[in-house]
Amino acid sequence: QQQVKQSPQSLIVQKGGISIINCAYENTAFDYFPWYQQFPGKGPALLIAIRPDVSEKKEGRFTISFNKSAKQFSLHIMDSQPGDSATYFCAASRVNQFYFGTGTSLTVIP
Amino acid sequence: GAVVSQHPSWVICKSGTSVKIECRSLDFQATTMFWYRQFPKQSLMLMATSNEGSKATYEQGVEKDKFLINHASLTLSTLTVTSAHPEDSSFYICSARREREQYFGPGTRLTVT
Repeated sequence: QQQVKQSPQSLIVQKGGISIINCAYENTAFDYFPWYQQFPGKGPALLIAIRPDVSEKKEGRFTISFNKSAKQFSLHIMDSQPGDSATYFCAASRVNQFYFGTGTSLTVIP
Repeated sequence: GAVVSQHPSWVICKSGTSVKIECRSLDFQATTMFWYRQFPKQSLMLMATSNEGSKATYEQGVEKDKFLINHASLTLSTLTVTSAHPEDSSFYICSARREREQYFGPGTRLTVT
């Protein structure tokens, strides 16, 4: 059973546009929701994370929106740049367990 | 801070040989480390959770006798792929937990010929 569902699988955005990636979870016991960015041939890197007591968190061009009642959270990348082209994974965590989404391949066209 | 290294970054070995991959947390101590396997264009697949000083906990379907994990210190965990076969070829990634977060290594590309 997929603990975290992520969409879309791939996304193409024009430079300067907004990239939006969505994730949904079922287990209300999850209490930590990170997003990771992965470039080809590299390990994932923590991008931004949120806890369920906050509805939004912003760090630079990256924003997480969190909807606890809907059990959904999303990553918004403002002013998308070609250097943002990568695969993005959402995750949901409780205690020592992390459950990853299936990933979104983002391509930002110049 | 929170840097995790892996060595080697890539390795090619012959079928039937064993390969050891090291994972080190460089600037923090990690009581828990994780080992993942990733196939092309797919998500991370957790293989095992490694706790310092105790036996690793393997995920269902992962052969513990084939993928030996040792977490001998608070900064080092190793994964040994024993009697490697071509189907073991993959990208192996470790991570180390610090507080609420896990920090990933750069990955090791294993190719078994």
